[in-house]
Amino acid sequence: DTAVSQTPKYLVTQMGNDKSIKCEQNLGHDTMYWYKQDSKKFLKIMFSYNNKELIINETVPNRFSPKSPDKAHLNLHINSLELGDSAVYFCASSHGGAAFFGQGTRLTVV
Amino acid sequence: KNEVEQSPQNLTAQEGEFITINCSYSVGISALHWLQQHPGGGIVSLFMLSSGKKKHGRLIATINIQEKHSSLHITASHPRDSAVYICAVAQGPGNQFYFGTGTSLTVIP
Repeated sequence: DTAVSQTPKYLVTQMGNDKSIKCEQNLGHDTMYWYKQDSKKFLKIMFSYNNKELIINETVPNRFSPKSPDKAHLNLHINSLELGDSAVYFCASSHGGAAFFGQGTRLTVV
Repeated sequence: KNEVEQSPQNLTAQEGEFITINCSYSVGISALHWLQQHPGGGIVSLFMLSSGKKKHGRLIATINIQEKHSSLHITASHPRDSAVYICAVAQGPGNQFYFGTGTSLTVIP
C-alpha cells in the first residue's frame, strides 16, 4: 500500500483554468505538507497542516488554497492557473521527524 | 540565506569512485534526512538521522550535531546512483522541514 499517494501524477492544463491535486496518507500522521519543486530542483514549502489546521502558510499567491477535509487528506486547489505555476508539486506527511513523500504531480500550464 | 546548505551542487564521478556530499544547517533540528530523487521520479527518504552514523548497503550517512553538519557517502559508485540527493532537516514542534538545494550526481560508466 502506498503511504502517501497523490493524484494525478501528470496534469496538463490551459492558462486560466482551475485545477486540484489530491493527496492522501494512510500512515496516521498528524502533519501534512505541500511543496513546490522549481526548475532548479529546490523544494519550497507552501503549506503545512497539523490535524486539519493550517500551521504554515508561506508566501504563495492566494490562487493556491489547501483544503483538509480530514487529517488523512490535504488537497491543493489552484485557481486561474498561470504559466509560472508549472512545476512538480509534492505532498508529504510526517510524524516525529520521519517524513514520507508522495510521487509528485507534474503540472504543466500551456 | 538558506537554513540548509549543500555542496557540491553538481558532481560527476567515474563508476567505482567514492562520493561525498556535504550538508550544513543553521537551525536546531529533531532529525535530518537524506533524500534521493531520480530523474522524473518521486522522492525517497534514504536515511533519517538524529545522531551518529547509519549504513545501508553502499550508502553511509553521518551527522555531527555539535557542528551542525552531515555527510552522505557512496562507496563503489554505480551509474544507477545517478540522481539528485537532497538534505532536509526537520525542526520541531511543528516538524517544519527545510531543504537543501540538492546535489545532482552523475556516475559515468
